[in-house]
Formats: sequence, structure tokens, C-alpha cells
Amino acid sequence: GENVEQHPSTLSVQEGDSAVIKCTYSDSASNYFPWYKQELGKGPQLIIDIRSNVGEKKDQRIAVTLNKTAKHFSLHITETQPEDSAVYFCAASMGGGGADGLTFGKGTHLIIQP
Amino acid sequence: DVKVTQSSRYLVKRTGEKVFLECVQDMDHENMFWYRQDPGLGLRLIYFSYDVKMKEKGDIPEGYSVSREKKERFSLILESASTNQTSMYLCASSFSGGFTDTQYFGPGTRLTVL
Repeated sequence: GENVEQHPSTLSVQEGDSAVIKCTYSDSASNYFPWYKQELGKGPQLIIDIRSNVGEKKDQRIAVTLNKTAKHFSLHITETQPEDSAVYFCAASMGGGGADGLTFGKGTHLIIQP
Repeated sequence: DVKVTQSSRYLVKRTGEKVFLECVQDMDHENMFWYRQDPGLGLRLIYFSYDVKMKEKGDIPEGYSVSREKKERFSLILESASTNQTSMYLCASSFSGGFTDTQYFGPGTRLTVL
């Protein structure tokens, strides 16, 4: 089955700086890669996703890049703000709406220092 | 907007009690999931269901069972609660048949077993 590795487990950056979280996956058949943000006391919420036919996707201050050859994908957050502090999870799946779809990484605790 | 609700935000039970955690989704999703979340371990899949009355074991099903009598409702049952089942429990749902496997999460139930 799929295996997703996520690094780092904790990331501390100064407010206004950029943050990068990296994930690798094992199954070359995976073609859908979402990122979730979990704030304290809440369930994970989807923030951005990318499909395998696209190399990069941006949404305001967040972007995701995908390298299918190397089987890795990354989340980039620019101009970080205090509200970006949260736990971020990457995931991978083969799409198709299968019930056993997503395999998650173990999460990155992002801390934004004022 | 997809809404996934969980019956309790916080729950305290005693060792040996039978515990029911309820989850309801309002988007007519076929797939529903139960995860537990522990520090450093990420999200671990307990059980999932791809249709009414159907269930499949996830990665850590021991000590748990599930019930899905109606499409919108998925229940997690701890037959005899133990202290090592103290955790955050997250329910999620997803649409079957689409390209993506985006899962929508509820707010979680923090269960403490004394």
C-alpha cells in the first residue's frame, strides 16, 4: 500500500518569512495530493490540493508543487502570519473516489514566531 | 458547504464501559471514516464504510466496532473502553465516484478513559 513520509515534524519560522513542508510518497499510481490544516481543537480542513497532471498550484499565499518523477510534493506558505500556526497534513491517493482513498503523513506543527 | 458533525466534543468514561461515538454528514456521501489522532502518530484509520451496512477494517481496528444503518450516520463503538483508547477521534466523509478522494472532517471527540 501507499506510504507517505512528511518532514519536518515541527517547523518554527518568524512572522513574515516563508515556510516549506515536504512529503514523499511510495506508490507511483497515486495521482491526487491534498493538504489539510488542523487548528487547535478542530478537525482537519482542506486548504489546497493538486492532481498529477499539474506541477504547481497557487492560492494566494499558499502553493503546492509536485514532482512525480521523484515522488515528492511540497507545501509553500509565503508571508506567514500568526493564523498560519497549526498542524499541517499531506496525503496521497489514487483518486477515483475509492473508500480507502487517502494515506496521510504524520503531520507538521508549524509555529509562527512574532 | 459539507458538514460533518460529531455527537460530543469531550467525553469522559470509565474503564470497561461501552462507548458510542456518533457521526452525521449532510452531503449524501457514500464513504465514511473513523480515525484516531495521537501526538506524533498522525491520523490512523480505525474503520471505514463505503455503503450502508458495509464496513471495512482500517489499520487499527482492535477494540473497536462500527455501525452504519443509515447513509448519513456512522457510529464507532468501544465495546469495553480501556485507558489506551484515550485519544482524539475524528470522523470524515467523502464522495464516491469523483476523481478526488477529498475527505471532510468533523470537529473531533476528545475521549478520556479513566
